[in-house]
Amino acid sequence: TQLLEQSPQFLSIQEGENLTVYCNSSSVFSSLQWYRQEPGEGPVLLVTVVTGGEVKKLKRLTFQFGDARKDSSLHITAAQPGDTGLYLCAGFDAGKSTFGDGTTLTVKP
Amino acid sequence: DTEVTQTPKHLVMGMTNKKSLKCEQHMGHRAMYWYKQKAKKPPELMFVYSYEKLSINESVPSRFSPECPNSSLLNLHLHALQPEDSALYLCASSPPHRANTGELFFGEGSRLTVL
Repeated sequence: TQLLEQSPQFLSIQEGENLTVYCNSSSVFSSLQWYRQEPGEGPVLLVTVVTGGEVKKLKRLTFQFGDARKDSSLHITAAQPGDTGLYLCAGFDAGKSTFGDGTTLTVKP
Repeated sequence: DTEVTQTPKHLVMGMTNKKSLKCEQHMGHRAMYWYKQKAKKPPELMFVYSYEKLSINESVPSRFSPECPNSSLLNLHLHALQPEDSALYLCASSPPHRANTGELFFGEGSRLTVL
């Protein structure tokens, strides 16, 4: 069974602060996705990383895939209240996605 | 159009009822999925359909019965459910050219309450 551990589980910060969320596994994945989910809605795909060491930027969000394709990080610069939500990483291998437990982010104005 | 549509949005049913959840996408995606999500937990995979054929069943109890009538539709038939089956049921799809990267496009979910 492939497991993905996310940390921290909860994060509450003030608007304008920076933050990093981590996603770690002992398993190798062929790709990894980050999703953001708001209450009562389905997860929304933010990014896919495929190559070890890959870095992708989406406005104030920076995603990195570990060199060994076992871990990933999500860095948010100058967080805004609209960034509030549940952030989920998902590792993909053998036709199935395994989700991490999620990080609940609250950005206070 | 990048939408996965799920109906109903909310469903309340008794343990003896039979109901169905429906999912529709018109993006030409050929892989469709059912996930179950309990409060404050990540989605858990239930079923995967690839080109309208069931390819993965994650040992889901038989009181959940999936059906894929065509490439755009996915149903989940519910019968004799238990209160612990109450959850958000998410449908997702993957485009053919992205099936090997695991990208999922989710619907908004159907919130199921079993009394």
